[in-house]
Amino acid sequence: SAVISQKPSRDICQRGTSLTIQCQVDSQVTMMFWYRQQPGQSLTLIATANQGSEATYESGFVIDKFPISRPNLTFSTLTVSNMSPEDSSIYLCSVGAGGRYEQYFGPGTRLTVT
Amino acid sequence: EDKVVQSPLSLVVHEGDTVTLNCSYEVTNFRSLLWYKQEKKAPTFLFMLTSSGIEKKSGRLSSILDKKELSSILNITATQTGDSAIYLCAAGGGTSYGKLTFGQGTILTVHP
Repeated sequence: SAVISQKPSRDICQRGTSLTIQCQVDSQVTMMFWYRQQPGQSLTLIATANQGSEATYESGFVIDKFPISRPNLTFSTLTVSNMSPEDSSIYLCSVGAGGRYEQYFGPGTRLTVT
Repeated sequence: EDKVVQSPLSLVVHEGDTVTLNCSYEVTNFRSLLWYKQEKKAPTFLFMLTSSGIEKKSGRLSSILDKKELSSILNITATQTGDSAIYLCAAGGGTSYGKLTFGQGTILTVHP
């Protein structure tokens, strides 16, 4: 399976600021996904990052709050904008391998907003 | 709305016990059922099942999908303390390409 890295691994940010999370894969992948896991909750899909086109957002998530870039087949970023304490979560990127649903996850970014 | 429900939510056993974790799903355009193990942050892939009635096995872990009952089970035999983790079930399908809908997870604690 692909080796996936994320930066930063954790961060503490002040409300009102923005944080950009990077996801790097060691091989070219067509599909990359961004998930959020709020404290004590399960994973929720934020958006699908498509290379060469706009990201596709799930209900409840908007581009102004979570802009995503996908400049090539090995890299993507997720920005969490104008943060509030409710944005405190683990943010995970995943890549599809062997099919769109067989997904492997990066190590995650633990974000705390104060 | 797509939904995945897992039971039990938590389970405490002793080493050597066998456990069965349950997952039921209601997902439009269902394509596959996946199991993950989450110990710290990142879920680790265990199995993906697409065909009903065919068991997938890896060491002491096995899983089977029942498409008629819209459910899956994950069995762990001869549990070890290293099996302590959150086990997540996810259903692939829905209206978005590649979307996985996750259950709330089962917290498994294995005591020595």
